Amino acid sequence: GQQLNQSPQSMFIQEGEDVSMNCTSSSIFNTWLWYKQDPGEGPVLLIALYKAGELTSNGRLTAQFGITRKDSFLNISASIPSDVGIYFCAGDDSGNTGKLIFGQGTTLQVKP
Amino acid sequence: EPEVTQTPSHQVTQMGQEVILRCVPISNHLYFYWYRQILGQKVEFLVSFYNNEISEKSEIFDDQFSVERPDGSNFTLKIRSTKLEDSAMYFCASRRDRVSGNTIYFGEGSWLTVV
Repeated sequence: GQQLNQSPQSMFIQEGEDVSMNCTSSSIFNTWLWYKQDPGEGPVLLIALYKAGELTSNGRLTAQFGITRKDSFLNISASIPSDVGIYFCAGDDSGNTGKLIFGQGTTLQVKP
Repeated sequence: EPEVTQTPSHQVTQMGQEVILRCVPISNHLYFYWYRQILGQKVEFLVSFYNNEISEKSEIFDDQFSVERPDGSNFTLKIRSTKLEDSAMYFCASRRDRVSGNTIYFGEGSWLTVV
C-alpha cells in the first residue's frame, strides 16, 4: 500500500534554531499536508500544498510540494518552546476515497 | 469555526467488552473517516464512509469493527469484542468532498484503554 517515509524521527534543538523535516513517498499525491499534534489531542492542520512545486508559508513555517509530487518538506524558522510536538506529513488520496496517508511523525523538542 | 466532536474523550473497558465511539462530523460534510493512533505511533487509516456505506477499509478494520451513521448527525465506530491491542486514540474526521483543497478535519480523539 501507499507509504510515506518521514525524517528525521526526532529532533532536539535549541530555541531560536531553524528546523527542517521531510517526507517522501513511492506514490504521487495531489495534495500534501503538514499537521502538528500536541499530546492527547488530534492533529491540527498547519499547511496544505496543492500544486507541484508550490512553496507556502504560514508565519514561521514554510513548506514545499516537490516537483515530482512524491515529496515535501517543512521548515520552521527561529523555533520557540511552543513548537514542541509531533509533526506529521500526510498525503491526500483525494482521487479515491479521500483518506489521508500519514508519515511516521517527527518529534520536536526545543530547549529554551 | 465548525469542528468535529467526539465522545467519550476517554474510555476504559475490559477485554471482550463492546465499545461504541461517537462522532459528530461537520454538518455539511459528506465523507467520514475513522483513524487510529497507538501511543507513540503514527496515525493509521481505519475506514472511510460515504453515502451511507463503507467506501474503503484498511487491514486493521476487521470483522470486530463496524461503523454506522444512525441519523443525520452521528457517525459511530463499534468494536464488538475489544482486545488489549485495541488500546489507542481513535480519531474521527470529515471532509466536505474529495476536491483537492477541501481537506480533512479531525476531532480531538477518543482515548480507549482496554484492560
